Amino acid sequence: DAGVIQSPRHEVTEMGQEVTLRCKPISGHDYLFWYRQTMMRGLELLIYFNNNVPIDDSGMPEDRFSAKMPNASFSTLKIQPSEPRDSAVYFCASSLRGAYNSPLHFGNGTRLTVT
Amino acid sequence: AQKVTQAQTEISVVEKEDVTLDCVYETRDTTYYLFWYKQPPSGELVFLIRRNSFDEQNEISGRYSWNFQKSTSSFNFTITASQVVDSAVYFCALSEGLAFGNEKLTFGTGTRLTIIP
Repeated sequence: DAGVIQSPRHEVTEMGQEVTLRCKPISGHDYLFWYRQTMMRGLELLIYFNNNVPIDDSGMPEDRFSAKMPNASFSTLKIQPSEPRDSAVYFCASSLRGAYNSPLHFGNGTRLTVT
Repeated sequence: AQKVTQAQTEISVVEKEDVTLDCVYETRDTTYYLFWYKQPPSGELVFLIRRNSFDEQNEISGRYSWNFQKSTSSFNFTITASQVVDSAVYFCALSEGLAFGNEKLTFGTGTRLTIIP
């Protein structure tokens, strides 16, 4: 049974460039979450979706960040333009019925480095 | 607002010792869920346990045990007879749940556990 799949695993880009992170959740899971992990701020929730609809995007740091979920099997997190302070590990996670009702299954993360 | 505090930033113990990781939470809800996740050096986050606010029974799974005390808002995690493979960062997390739009998970800052062989 495939888990949450994220791509790429590593991304190195220059400041000002557009970055797109991709996520394929576990089939049948209704919820999808994007988290960011940094040494300074730990694990922060950026946005989450229920049935492909964004529910809470209050954690999205700025307008430079956007996330979409065009269908149940795919989501993207885009940063445009990227800045060095965006360097972090970005995790995608999915769950069957929401975080309180079922555990989150995390992908392996995308390590983003913006130079 | 929900909040999770893991006061221990780093812990080191010698293999086979017992170790307890502390977790204190804050919530205004009477219904909520608590979680522990493990992040080994490889980086992925692995679910360990979920506990709802109505179940204060302690739980044991092999060398792992969890002590949930609502009176002190704590959900502590004990590893008995630690092993080198237990070396990881451990996160406690809280979900206030039930209300639509509240299905998210708030994490503590994590405790880095190092088991010395």
